[in-house]
Amino acid sequence: AQSVTQLGSHVSVSEGALVLLRCNYSSSVPPYLFWYVQYPNQGLQLLLKYTTGATLVKGINGFEAEFKKSETSFHLTKPSAHMSDAAEYFCAVSGGGNQFYFGTGTSLTVIP
Amino acid sequence: KAGVTQTPRYLIKTRGQQVTLSCSPISGHRSVSWYQQTPGQGLQFLFEYFSETQRNKGNFPGRFSGRQFSNSRSEMNVSTLELGDSALYLCASSFFDNRQGREQYFGPGTRLTVT
Repeated sequence: AQSVTQLGSHVSVSEGALVLLRCNYSSSVPPYLFWYVQYPNQGLQLLLKYTTGATLVKGINGFEAEFKKSETSFHLTKPSAHMSDAAEYFCAVSGGGNQFYFGTGTSLTVIP
Repeated sequence: KAGVTQTPRYLIKTRGQQVTLSCSPISGHRSVSWYQQTPGQGLQFLFEYFSETQRNKGNFPGRFSGRQFSNSRSEMNVSTLELGDSALYLCASSFFDNRQGREQYFGPGTRLTVT
């Protein structure tokens, strides 16, 4: 069985500061891991994904995430926050079967 | 390629009515999944269809049903609407690649309000 826990339902950062959104997963099989972003009144957009290979994954808009198997984590980071990064972020896991399991989401606020 | 499209984008219904939502996947994608998104429950998986067959189903009552057509377009139906069915309904399509894992591409959603 798979599950995802996102620590912190709300995160606030100043513009230009580091963004760190936390995601821990549980999976009985090698997981596929994803980060999605959702802007108001829109669907989810894929930011990045981990399948196999390099554990540091780079995505769109300057975001990256590192798969740490020993910590069962897949935290999302961005060195410098921009006002346009304000959105809801979802971590998801898929593995073995065909179903995605999403976290409850983290709302990111960027303070000017 | 055109993205995932969902119609209608907004819908207002009355308790007890039924509703049908439509989803057109990205061309070539054969899998369509449906999710319900609410502020309190987050994203909850409804069901997935692949080649016109329901492959997975979430924990929702039988009032929620779906189907997929031969062109991969999908519809979901909710009968006997309840106030708690008010939500954003998201459709996602995917093309499974064993090497790359399965990415889901989401539509903009249908905002259903039940009064």
